[in-house]
Amino acid sequence: NAGVTQTPKFQVLKTGQSMTLQCAQDMNHEYMSWYRQDPGMGLRLIHYSVGAGITDQGEVPNGYNVSRSTTEDFPLRLLSAAPSQTSVYFCASSRELGTEAFFGQGTRLTVV
Amino acid sequence: GEDVEQSLFLSVREGDSSVINCTYTDSSSTYLYWYKQEPGAGLQLLTYIFSNMDMKQDQRLTVLLNKKDKHLSLRIADTQTGDSAIYFCAERAPGGYNKLIFGAGTRLAVHP
Repeated sequence: NAGVTQTPKFQVLKTGQSMTLQCAQDMNHEYMSWYRQDPGMGLRLIHYSVGAGITDQGEVPNGYNVSRSTTEDFPLRLLSAAPSQTSVYFCASSRELGTEAFFGQGTRLTVV
Repeated sequence: GEDVEQSLFLSVREGDSSVINCTYTDSSSTYLYWYKQEPGAGLQLLTYIFSNMDMKQDQRLTVLLNKKDKHLSLRIADTQTGDSAIYFCAERAPGGYNKLIFGAGTRLAVHP
C-alpha cells in the first residue's frame, strides 16, 4: 500500500515557468489537500478537495490551480512560477472528515 | 480567528521526559493532532485527541487537553535520540471540511 505519493521530490524552476506537482493516493480517500511549508510558519493550506470534481481555496491559493478529475489524483499547477513560491509542498489525504491525514514525502521547489 | 501557537525549540536529555505545549484559539475545534517531522521527510501523524477527551495515552506518548485554557500538550516519556524532530500541533478548522490549522512546529533536540 503506497499511501500518498508525490512527484517530483525536487524541482528547480525559472521565474515564469509553469509546472504541475503530482499527488496520488491509493486509499480511496475523499479528502485531499495541498500545503506549503515555509520556515517558521508551519504548514499553510493552499487548496483542498472533498471529492472528485469538487475543489476549494485554502489560506494561500494565489498563483496555484488544482483539479480533481479522479478520487486518486490531485495535481497542483503553478501557471507562472515566482520566487515567492519557493517552498516545500505537501499533499495530504484523509478518509473522512475529522480523521487523521496521511501526508506525502513532500516536493522541494526552488524558483530562481 | 484560527491560530495555533507553539514554542519553537525544546532541548532535553536522553531518558528524560519531554513536554511540548500548544495553544489554540478556536474553541469549536473538535480534533487536535500531533505530527512528527524528521529531517527531509514528510509529516507523520503521531496521535490525535477528540475535544471531549482530557487525556489520551499511547505507549510513550501522553496527550493532555485543557479545553478551558485551549491548551494541548504532548509528553514523550523516556525520550530517545530518535525522537529528535519537529513536532507540529494542529487543529481541525470548523466549517465542514478537513482543513488543518498548523502551529509553526517545535524543534525537539535530544542530547546525551
